[in-house]
Amino acid sequence: TQLLEQSPQFLSIQEGENLTVYCNSSSVFSSLQWYRQEPGEGPVLLVTVVTGGEVKKLKRLTFQFGDARKDSSLHITAAQPGDTGLYLCAGFSAGNNRKLIWGLGTSLAVNP
Amino acid sequence: GAGVSQSPSNKVTEKGKDVELRCDPISGHTALYWYRQSLGQGLEFLIYFQGNSAPDKSGLPSDRFSAERTGGSVSTLTIQRTQQEDSAVYLCASSLVGTGLNEQFFGPGTRLTVL
Repeated sequence: TQLLEQSPQFLSIQEGENLTVYCNSSSVFSSLQWYRQEPGEGPVLLVTVVTGGEVKKLKRLTFQFGDARKDSSLHITAAQPGDTGLYLCAGFSAGNNRKLIWGLGTSLAVNP
Repeated sequence: GAGVSQSPSNKVTEKGKDVELRCDPISGHTALYWYRQSLGQGLEFLIYFQGNSAPDKSGLPSDRFSAERTGGSVSTLTIQRTQQEDSAVYLCASSLVGTGLNEQFFGPGTRLTVL
């Protein structure tokens, strides 16, 4: 069974701090996606990374795909209370691009 | 509507009853997914529909769970003889095609509570 492990599971920080969350696997993924989910809503796609070593930036969020396409990270600079939510990584495994494999998520709370 | 809608938003039922959950995907999206999300469990894949192909039912946890998609649009997830462990948020997602990098658009979910 292919798994995506996310860490940390929970994170509570003060406004203005930086943070990094991780998404790791022993398997290769053809692409990885990061979603953010707020309470009472479904996940919303933030970014898709495809190429090993790829870095994508979305305002204060920086996403990186590992060189071997087995892991990814999300770095948030100067976190704001609006960043609060559940961050989920999900990937299409090499050989099955129809069904996403999901991590359990990192629950982030940014306190004002 | 512009997004994926699900109904009901909340459902409380008694153990042993049957429930039906509805999903209206984005118009024109050929792929539709059902997931279950329990507290601390992340998203658990249940079933996937893609166009007129046979659905991928590999994630359904038991034969009490079934789903159909009529006319390539609306989908209904049915849980028969509900059990307390079925309590969870059931999420539906649709995408333009079912392969590649296509984004999955999620509905707000149905929170099911089995007493």
